[in-house]
Amino acid sequence: QKEVEQDPGPLSVPEGAIVSLNCTYSNSAFQYFMWYRQYSRKGPELLMYTYSSGNKEDGRFTAQVDKSSKYISLFIRDSQPSDSATYLCAMQIQGAQKLVFGQGTRLTINP
Amino acid sequence: DGGITQSPKYLFRKEGQNVTLSCEQNLNHDAMYWYRQDPGQGLRLIYYSQIVNDFQKGDIAEGYSVSREKKESFPLTVTSAQKNPTAFYLCASSIDRPINYGYTFGSGTRLTVV
Repeated sequence: QKEVEQDPGPLSVPEGAIVSLNCTYSNSAFQYFMWYRQYSRKGPELLMYTYSSGNKEDGRFTAQVDKSSKYISLFIRDSQPSDSATYLCAMQIQGAQKLVFGQGTRLTINP
Repeated sequence: DGGITQSPKYLFRKEGQNVTLSCEQNLNHDAMYWYRQDPGQGLRLIYYSQIVNDFQKGDIAEGYSVSREKKESFPLTVTSAQKNPTAFYLCASSIDRPINYGYTFGSGTRLTVV
């Protein structure tokens, strides 16, 4: 079983829809949670960063962490075609040097 | 502009050849990383380095080698011992230990065996 599980999709939704992307994890020591966005043939870029449980909002994006369920989510409101990309969740144990990534979900927003 | 530069963007390797992927950063970051990305498998860590002249194996180090002679540079060599090297390779760096703010990634090198 992988430490971090993410549905690879692909996920296709119409423009304007609310998108929910999710990851589950098995290691309760994870404390830092991130979402990266990766456009085709590019490197990932950091989208959202949260520490421990709770919600964090940035414009149309909301990151949610539920440590009791070992479950994190990224919500995209009013989705745009420019949001079409692969979304990767990543997690880190405090004091550890490296991140652990999910498999990535490929998202397409149709105009 | 500060960032990470990976070169070349595309690389072709013949069977039995060693090839070296370049990664340079001007962010003054201490730590650097190499990841391999395959479809449906996410990012897998090959090697990482926290300081100059020191590096550690990641989850899939076999068939790869690295060096860290300068803070700005972390080249990756894909040796002939790597049996399935065709993949997208990503270099990343982070600001400190422990990393609390994520990585900055380069644009990647796509390696294909011909």
